[in-house]
Amino acid sequence: AQSVTQLGSHVSVSEGALVLLRCNYSSSVPPYLFWYVQYPNQGLQLLLKYTSAATLVKGINGFEAEFKKSETSFHLTKPSAHMSDAAEYFCAVSDNYGGSQGNLIFGKGTKLSVKP
Amino acid sequence: DTEVTQTPKHLVMGMTNKKSLKCEQHMGHRAMYWYKQKAKKPPELMFVYSYEKLSINESVPSRFSPECPNSSLLNLHLHALQPEDSALYLCASSQSRAGNYNEQFFGPGTRLTVL
Repeated sequence: AQSVTQLGSHVSVSEGALVLLRCNYSSSVPPYLFWYVQYPNQGLQLLLKYTSAATLVKGINGFEAEFKKSETSFHLTKPSAHMSDAAEYFCAVSDNYGGSQGNLIFGKGTKLSVKP
Repeated sequence: DTEVTQTPKHLVMGMTNKKSLKCEQHMGHRAMYWYKQKAKKPPELMFVYSYEKLSINESVPSRFSPECPNSSLLNLHLHALQPEDSALYLCASSQSRAGNYNEQFFGPGTRLTVL
């Protein structure tokens, strides 16, 4: 079965510092991977997605993620954090099996705090 | 239009009330989803409609009843809910459920409180 593990339920960085949010996946087939961001009391917004076209994926708001098959990882990075990046971030893998095809399997989420 | 809309934004209901949540998309997507999200948790899948047919019901209690009147609309009918049903209810849509086309777009959610 496919799964996603997000390391660190809470990450705190200073404004201007590097943001690194970790995501490891488990999948026996090439996965479709996603990063979503959720601001308080809002829905989820897609930051970026990996669909096997390129291993380095650029997303919105300056975020990017690199797919590393050897490490089964899809970590999210941003060179310089802004106060507006403070939010909950979810990594997700798309289920590719049978009747569950297309369902998103979410990690538990990582709350990003940005200190001034 | 790349937006999923949900109404109402907030809903407070008693345990004997009947209410409905509404979701609409005009992206031509053929798959639509209902999720329930509790505080500090990821969304939990409730129902999936594909081409207006219910394809997944994740063992959701019958007090939640989904309906897909057409390809753009998705409703969630609520009846005799319990306080533990209080949560953020999210609607999402995707082009289809297959492979590279299942990027899901989420609505802003309905914050439901059951008294």
